[in-house]
Amino acid sequence: AQSVTQPDIHITVSEGASLELRCNYSYGATPYLFWYVQSPGQGLQLLLKYFSGDTLVQGIKGFEAEFKRSQSSFNLRKPSVHWSDAAEYFCAVVPSGGNNRKLIWGLGTSLAVNP
Amino acid sequence: KAGVTQTPRYLIKTRGQQVTLSCSPISGHRSVSWYQQTPGQGLQFLFEYFSETQRNKGNFPGRFSGRQFSNSRSEMNVSTLELGDSALYLCASSPRTGSGANVLTFGAGSRLTVL
Repeated sequence: AQSVTQPDIHITVSEGASLELRCNYSYGATPYLFWYVQSPGQGLQLLLKYFSGDTLVQGIKGFEAEFKRSQSSFNLRKPSVHWSDAAEYFCAVVPSGGNNRKLIWGLGTSLAVNP
Repeated sequence: KAGVTQTPRYLIKTRGQQVTLSCSPISGHRSVSWYQQTPGQGLQFLFEYFSETQRNKGNFPGRFSGRQFSNSRSEMNVSTLELGDSALYLCASSPRTGSGANVLTFGAGSRLTVL
C-alpha cells in the first residue's frame, strides 16, 4: 500500500541552526509531493510542492526541499531556523494524474526551537 | 482575498449528540474537502464535494456526512457522536477537482471534543 513516512516524530534545534526534516514515500511512480506546516491552533499552510522538473524546489519562509527519486525521498531543509518556525510539519504525496482523494499524509514532525 | 473560514472553531458535545460544522471556501473555489486530524491517526480524508456533488469519499462510517451548497459553502455532519470522534476537523478548498496538482488551502479547523 502507498505510504508516507516521516521518521522523526519530534526534533529540537537551536535558533540559527540548520534543519532537515525527512520524508520517504512508498509509491510505484513519481508522485506529486507537498510539504505543509501547521502552527498551533491553525490549519495547514503549503510550504512548497514538487510536480516535475528541477528536483530542488524553493518554498515560502526560506524553506527548500529536494526530490531524490532513487531514495524515494523529499526532505525539507532550512539553512537557519527562526523561533517562529516551531510548528508541526507534514509531508504529503498524491499520484501524478491522481486526485485529492488519494492525497496521503505522513504523521508529521513536531519542531521545537530553542532560543 | 479571504481564506477558508470554518465555524465554529471549538465545540463540546456529549456522546450520542450530533454536530454540524461549516466551511466557506475561498471565493471562486468550487472544491471543498474535509479531513479529520487526530494525534494517533494523523490526517484522514473524509470526503470531497465539487459543484454540490460528492466526488470522493474516505473510509468513514455513514455517521459522517456532508453537503455542498450552490455558493460552494459546505457543511459536514456527524451523528450519534462517539468519544473517538474527538478531533480537529479541517476543511480545504481548491479551484478544481480531479487532479493531484490541485493545491489545497486549509481553514483553521473546528476542534470537536466529545465527552
